[in-house]
Amino acid sequence: DAGVIQSPRHEVTEMGQEVTLRCKPISGHNSLFWYRQTMMRGLELLIYFNNNVPIDDSGMPEDRFSAKMPNASFSTLKIQPSEPRDSAVYFCASSPGLPSPTDTQYFGPGTRLTVL
Amino acid sequence: AQTVTQSQPEMSVQEAETVTLSCTYDTSESNYYLFWYKQPPSRQMILVIRQEAYKQQNATENRFSVNFQKAAKSFSLKISDSQLGDTAMYFCAFTDFHNTDKLIFGTGTRLQVFP
Repeated sequence: DAGVIQSPRHEVTEMGQEVTLRCKPISGHNSLFWYRQTMMRGLELLIYFNNNVPIDDSGMPEDRFSAKMPNASFSTLKIQPSEPRDSAVYFCASSPGLPSPTDTQYFGPGTRLTVL
Repeated sequence: AQTVTQSQPEMSVQEAETVTLSCTYDTSESNYYLFWYKQPPSRQMILVIRQEAYKQQNATENRFSVNFQKAAKSFSLKISDSQLGDTAMYFCAFTDFHNTDKLIFGTGTRLQVFP
């Protein structure tokens, strides 16, 4: 298996532009997670899906952020409009079943977003 | 609220030596899980080891082992026979049975292994 795939690996954009990050989870995994990593706040869970349904989006910072999972093999995280404080590394992770401490989350390589 | 603290921003060790990374946490829950994740320069987060709070025996995975002190809320990672490939950021993480969707991460320790 190729693991969790994220695209793009790097994204540089200007303030006010729309940014879309993409994730393909491991085939057969039922849960998908979006995380953000910054120097100031470390790794934070933004949202997670189970069976394509958003379960917990309490970590989404504000209305400028939205996430979708139209099918089991694809998810997007969109920021519109983007701001310089959104600059971070965004990780997608997937796990086989319902989120559980015994279920390993497999992380993608992340997307480094820079908003100028 | 649960918190995870890693007080060592950076550590270094010589190849083949042993190094211990520290982690403390705070929770009022009685059962929970603790994890160590490795993030090499490739950025991908990799699970290194997992420990359930109810298990008294410390978890081990090859050269990696933990020292879990529940009363002290301490969870350190020992890397034996350090290898150059161990160079990475190491994150301690926590989750409990009430919030199984949330992994709470520490701020990380950057480990450099020197030849």
